[in-house]
Amino acid sequence: GDSVTQMEGPVTLSEEAFLTINCTYTATGYPSLFWYVQYPGEGLQLLLKATKADDKGSNKGFEATYRKETTSFHLEKGSVQVSDSAVYFCALGNYGQNFVFGPGTRLSVLP
Amino acid sequence: DVKVTQSSRYLVKRTGEKVFLECVQDMDHENMFWYRQDPGLGLRLIYFSYDVKMKEKGDIPEGYSVSREKKERFSLILESASTNQTSMYLCATLGGGETQYFGPGTRLLVL
Repeated sequence: GDSVTQMEGPVTLSEEAFLTINCTYTATGYPSLFWYVQYPGEGLQLLLKATKADDKGSNKGFEATYRKETTSFHLEKGSVQVSDSAVYFCALGNYGQNFVFGPGTRLSVLP
Repeated sequence: DVKVTQSSRYLVKRTGEKVFLECVQDMDHENMFWYRQDPGLGLRLIYFSYDVKMKEKGDIPEGYSVSREKKERFSLILESASTNQTSMYLCATLGGGETQYFGPGTRLLVL
């Protein structure tokens, strides 16, 4: 079946450091890919998404590119802030019913 | 903004009790989901519903049932709570572009 693999962390960075969280997937068909973020004490919220190969999703300085050839959707940000501390989930969706989430990566950003 | 609310943020129950978790959405979305979130496992789908009175099993339905009598409300029922059902439970709806909208979660402790 479909699956998502991502680095589990925790990842600890200093403010203004560069962030990469790796995500790879296996899936049948042509899934949409997502990054969700979960701030402490809250539910998940969509950070960005891409619906087809070579699409780039971006939001709040975060970016990820849908790479079909490497089945990857790595999350990047050029300069992290303390307020970016959260858990990040990579996910895929097939036809609006089959959603698969990675285990989540906890990011801590130190001032 | 889409609003998804869950009836409780924290619950403590005893083994063998029947537990009801309620989720209400205000955006007329047809698809609704129940997940449980455990450290290192990410989100796992328990049940989803694509219409009133319609339901489908997810990856881990054992020990759970659901009810959807009205479009806006999707209930998760633990027929006889057990300690291995201690977890964070997240409700979600499906909006346009395969984007899911999550509630804040219910942290359930079964003693």
